[in-house]
Amino acid sequence: KAGVTQTPRYLIKTRGQQVTLSCSPISGHRSVSWYQQTPGQGLQFLFEYFSETQRNKGNFPGRFSGRQFSNSRSEMNVSTLELGDSALYLCASSLERSREETQYFGPGTRLLVL
Amino acid sequence: QQQVKQSPQSLIVQKGGISIINCAYENTAFDYFPWYQQFPGKGPALLIAIRPDVSEKKEGRFTISFNKSAKQFSLHIMDSQPGDSATYFCAASTSNTGKLIFGQGTTLQVKP
Repeated sequence: KAGVTQTPRYLIKTRGQQVTLSCSPISGHRSVSWYQQTPGQGLQFLFEYFSETQRNKGNFPGRFSGRQFSNSRSEMNVSTLELGDSALYLCASSLERSREETQYFGPGTRLLVL
Repeated sequence: QQQVKQSPQSLIVQKGGISIINCAYENTAFDYFPWYQQFPGKGPALLIAIRPDVSEKKEGRFTISFNKSAKQFSLHIMDSQPGDSATYFCAASTSNTGKLIFGQGTTLQVKP
C-alpha cells in the first residue's frame, strides 16, 4: 500500500506570495492532519480534516487554511507568505478520527520563503 | 497546559548502551502518548505508544515507562544501535481531538 504522498517536495517563494501544498493520504484513510515543523518551534499542529470537514484547528493565523476533497486528498494554503513561514510542512493520515489510530506521516514539503 | 516538555535535547550513547528520553506534560486530559522517530529527509514514524492505564509497554528494544501521578513518560532504547540514530519526539493527545501535541525532540547519536 502506498504511503502518504506530498507535493511538491520543495518550494521557494517570496514574501507576499501565496502557496498551495497537496497531500494524498493512504488509500482508505479519511483523516488528514497538517503540521508545521521548524527548528525553533518543533512540530506544531495546524489543522485536521475528516470527511471534508475541519475538525480541529491549531493556533495559527487565518493566512493558513486548508480543505479536504471527497477522495480524502487535502490541500493547505498559505497566503501572504512571511519569512517565518519557512518550514517543513507535514501531512499525516489515519484510518478514522480515533485517538489511538496511528497517524502516518508523509515526507513533507519544504517551503523556503525569501 | 497544552505543552509537552522533552529532555534531553540531544543524546550521545555508545553502541549497546541504553538511551533514555524523558517527557513531562501538564494537561491531565491527555490519554494517548505516542513516540515518533524521524530520520533526516523523512516524516516522523510511529515507534510505540501507550495509554495511561498501563505503566509500561515494551516492543522489541523499545520500552515506554509511564508515571501517571508524576505526569511523566519516558522512552528507553535497549542495546542501542547506530541505526537508531535519529530524532525522537514524544507526543500526547486527548481522545476528543486526535491532534498531537509534540515535545521539542531529542537528537540521538549512537556511536559504533
